[in-house]
Amino acid sequence: QLQLQESGPGLVQPSETLSLTCTVSGGSISSSNYYGGWIRQPPGKGLEWIGSIDYSGGTYFNPSLKSRVSISLDTSKSQFSLKVNSVTAADTAVYYCARFITLVRGVIIKSFDYWGQGTLVTVSS
Amino acid sequence: DIQMTQSPSSVSASVGDRVTITCRASQDINSWLAWYQQKPGKGPKLLIYAASSFQSGVPSRFSGSGSGTDFTLTISSLQPEDFATYYCLQADTFPLTFGGGTKVEIK
Repeated sequence: QLQLQESGPGLVQPSETLSLTCTVSGGSISSSNYYGGWIRQPPGKGLEWIGSIDYSGGTYFNPSLKSRVSISLDTSKSQFSLKVNSVTAADTAVYYCARFITLVRGVIIKSFDYWGQGTLVTVSS
Repeated sequence: DIQMTQSPSSVSASVGDRVTITCRASQDINSWLAWYQQKPGKGPKLLIYAASSFQSGVPSRFSGSGSGTDFTLTISSLQPEDFATYYCLQADTFPLTFGGGTKVEIK
């Protein structure tokens, strides 16, 4: 059973950089059929896609965050990571990592099928 | 960017009721729409992908339909464990976008 686990600081100072890592176990995302993705959810609000990375390191970002966000992949450690620069209180949210799958046994899927439990990151001094 | 308009934002229903949630895309997304269920303090759970295909283990009372710009999630007979918030996701093109969510509450 594939599992994803987010890790990183739960408190970040305003104007600093938020850094999170997602560790994948019980399977791999190192395939052209998978992307690693980051999604966040401010307290009491809906889901917002932050960005995704494909198996070759190609990245795709939410235009509203693109100038402040980077995502990287370390296949040797089965990890992908998120950085958000110049954070403000508006970046306070539960951050989820998830696997986006495009193809299974010849069937096109295109959805996030496995999610981490989420980690709350608070931006505050 | 493709905007996803989800309605209603909340619905009050009783056990056994039929509940319908809709998502409308601002442009044609073919059938690349997924539905998720989220309970308090938990991550989203995939229910439906490609508009109408069931994720393994999802009860048959959940069904999805639609293509193009208009999509529907139907719960045929609401069960106590179905009280949650539901989100749609358009997966046709980047940037991916979620609907605003529908909270299904106990009447």
